[in-house]
Amino acid sequence: AQSVSQHNHHVILSEAASLELGCNYSYGGTVNLFWYVQYPGQHLQLLLKYFSGDPLVKGIKGFEAEFIKSKFSFNLRKPSVQWSDTAEYFCAVFPRGNQGGKLIFGQGTELSVKP
Amino acid sequence: EPEVTQTPSHQVTQMGQEVILRCVPISNHLYFYWYRQILGQKVEFLVSFYNNEISEKSEIFDDQFSVERPDGSNFTLKIRSTKLEDSAMYFCATLPQGNHNEQFFGPGTRLTVL
Repeated sequence: AQSVSQHNHHVILSEAASLELGCNYSYGGTVNLFWYVQYPGQHLQLLLKYFSGDPLVKGIKGFEAEFIKSKFSFNLRKPSVQWSDTAEYFCAVFPRGNQGGKLIFGQGTELSVKP
Repeated sequence: EPEVTQTPSHQVTQMGQEVILRCVPISNHLYFYWYRQILGQKVEFLVSFYNNEISEKSEIFDDQFSVERPDGSNFTLKIRSTKLEDSAMYFCATLPQGNHNEQFFGPGTRLTVL
């Protein structure tokens, strides 16, 4: 079955620390990959996406992610976090086998940044 | 920039009552979805809808749930007889045709069943 696994449930960092959130998926075919962010009390917002081409993608607010096909991974990184990055982060996969198919979400990682 | 809208933002209902959650998709999008997120848990797929019929549904989407596009613009999710465990945030999402696209999410409706 298709699934997405995020390694960390809750990450606590101090401001200016570097961030890496892990995401692995299980699906043998071609996928589109996404990271969404959900700030407290708000809805899902797209942080970045990968469809094809350069496996290192840059998103909003200084985030980037690297797609490593051989590892079925799409880890999210930010060199220096800010207090305003406190939020829940969801990795999601869209298997491209059937157009119009569903997004499969990971369980989310809660990031708390201490000022 | 066009966006997906949802109404109401918050719905409180008594157990056993029917609720209808509404979504207005982005106008040229062809695929429509409902997802839900129970507090503290991950976002779960409920149903996808294309060409006026359900494309796929999850195990959660039982006979108590239904979807329709009654007037060609709104996309609704109906829960016939709500249960306590239906309390969640319900997100509508829409997708244009093509593989190199992303789903656009609405702001969600928070459903509280008492």
